[in-house]
Amino acid sequence: NAGVMQNPRHLVRRRGQEARLRCSPMKGHSHVYWYRQLPEEGLKFMVYLQKENIIDESGMPKERFSAEFPKEGPSILRIQQVVRGDSAAYFCASSDRDREDGYTFGSGTRLTVV
Amino acid sequence: QKEVEQDPGPLSVPEGAIVSLNCTYSNSAFQYFMWYRQYSRKGPELLMYTYSSGNKEDGRFTAQVDKSSKYISLFIRDSQPSDSATYLCAMSGYSGGGADGLTFGKGTHLIIQP
Repeated sequence: NAGVMQNPRHLVRRRGQEARLRCSPMKGHSHVYWYRQLPEEGLKFMVYLQKENIIDESGMPKERFSAEFPKEGPSILRIQQVVRGDSAAYFCASSDRDREDGYTFGSGTRLTVV
Repeated sequence: QKEVEQDPGPLSVPEGAIVSLNCTYSNSAFQYFMWYRQYSRKGPELLMYTYSSGNKEDGRFTAQVDKSSKYISLFIRDSQPSDSATYLCAMSGYSGGGADGLTFGKGTHLIIQP
């Protein structure tokens, strides 16, 4: 079991470009969560998705950020027109329906906006 | 008042000592409590997952939850240098299938001195 796979591990974007972060959940997990970790800050919940559905996006910024989890393929967190304040580590976690084993996190994507 | 308070440390103890880490919280709806370990530039790794009040033991780790005091603890016995990491408490209010994201503390940086 490869666990939660995130790619790329590191991503550098210039201001105004788009960033796409990908997450493949653990085998058997159908729930995906995205978190952002800013320097010196804790992990902050962004969005919770199931296949083809956004369940809770209460932590997502209203503009420029979007997420999807299509029927086939990984979950995608998309940030349009990136700004320097978007520089952070973005983590994806997955769980099974009943969360009996809690949440498993990936190794994260470190986004740097220059 | 923040929802979850956690002393950032650093907490430095000699090898072999018992380590006590803790978090306080304000939201009485939290029912599920977790402790994660995060090494530098890595994703959080789930250590302990408990529901409601009580104790749970796993090897050298013991988690305690006191819902009446809104206080959770993680104890590490026979601490090793490899335990040096940031320890994050996390909690949520919903069981499986609910629309929910974890609320994290900022993490305590633990250093075990050889």
